[in-house]
Formats: sequence, C-alpha cells, structure tokens
Amino acid sequence: EAGVAQSPRYKIIEKRQSVAFWCNPISGHATLYWYQQILGQGPKLLIQFQNNGVVDDSQLPKDRFSAERLKGVDSTLKIQPAKLEDSAVYLCASSTSPRGAQETQYFGPGTRLLVL
Amino acid sequence: AQSVAQPEDQVNVAEGNPLTVKCTYSVSGNPYLFWYVQYPNRGLQFLLKYITGDNLVKGSYGFEAEFNKSQTSFHLKKPSALVSDSALYFCAVRDGDSSYKLIFGSGTRLLVRP
Repeated sequence: EAGVAQSPRYKIIEKRQSVAFWCNPISGHATLYWYQQILGQGPKLLIQFQNNGVVDDSQLPKDRFSAERLKGVDSTLKIQPAKLEDSAVYLCASSTSPRGAQETQYFGPGTRLLVL
Repeated sequence: AQSVAQPEDQVNVAEGNPLTVKCTYSVSGNPYLFWYVQYPNRGLQFLLKYITGDNLVKGSYGFEAEFNKSQTSFHLKKPSALVSDSALYFCAVRDGDSSYKLIFGSGTRLLVRP
C-alpha cells in the first residue's frame, strides 16, 4: 500500500513570496490533515478535511494560509505572503475517518520550508 | 482542554539496555493515546496506540507502552535498545469523548549508544 505522498520535499523562498505544497493521501482515506511542525516542537494541526469539506480550520492563519481539497483526494496548502516565522516542516496526514475509535493518522514525509 | 507532556528532551541509553520514554496526558474524557517516531528528514511513523482494553500495548519494532489511568501516563518502553532506535519520539492524545483533534507532545530525542 502506497503511503502519503508530498511534494516538494524542500523549499526555500524569500519573505513575502508565495509557496504551495501538495499532498496525496493513502487511497481510500477520506480524512486529510495538514500540520505545521516548527523546529523543536510537536506537530500542530492547521486544517482537517473530510472528503472535500473542511472539518476544522481554527488554527489556520487565514490571512495568509489557504488550503483546498477540491475533488476529495489530493490537497494543496498555500502560503501567501510568507513570513520568516512560517519556516517549518509541513506534514500531511490521512486517516479513514475522523471519529472512529480505531483511527490512526498516517503521515507523509513532509515539506521543509525555509523563509529567508 | 487536552494536553500532553513529555518531560525529557533527550533520553540516553546504551545498546542492549532497556529504554523508557515518558509521557503524561490530560483530557476530560476517555483518552486515546498514540506514539509516533520521526527519523531525520522523514515524516512521523505510527508505533502503537491505546484505545481500550489491556493496559500494555505492543507495537512495531519491539516497542510497547503501558497505560496508567491513575497516573495519567503512557510511557513507551523497549526491553533492549538498538542503535537504530535513535530518533525523535512523539506522544499524542485525543479525547475520545469530545474531540477528534490529535494533540502532540514536544517530543523526546532518544540516543542509543553502541
């Protein structure tokens, strides 16, 4: 079974530029998550999708971050404009359902973003 | 609100010795607890989880964890450490009664010496 795919793996941009990350979840997983992992910290949930609908985006900085999952499969996370403090690893995860007791989230390799 | 604490930034152990990585949690409902491992430049890999039932949970790569409700702990253990176990370990909790959010601890770096 193929895992969660993410691209690019690394990205370096200057502040105020825009950047986009792509994620393809495990086949058949209805729920997709985007996390931000700042160096030295645990991952923090940015947004959660159930199919193509947003379940939770309470911690997404909506003035600069946006995400979509138009066809309920792959997803794109965008930052525009980027700030220095956005430097982090952006992790995508997927699971079969958001509320099942057996839910396990499976993570992709992440995209490491450096904002100069 | 739910939270997770990993009190040790780093754990050092000699190869072949037992290892323990500590985790304590706080939730208002029933806790669902998870351990993940992260190798350099890799995403998080699932190790094991506790949902209900036996307090001792066995997972991947010989790891196990013990759920202790009275101490609100879920410590990760392995009887004999390998150098290849050196990595960053994250504990996470979800409040099974009221929330679907997975909250992560800050991580513990495990260093196994040859």
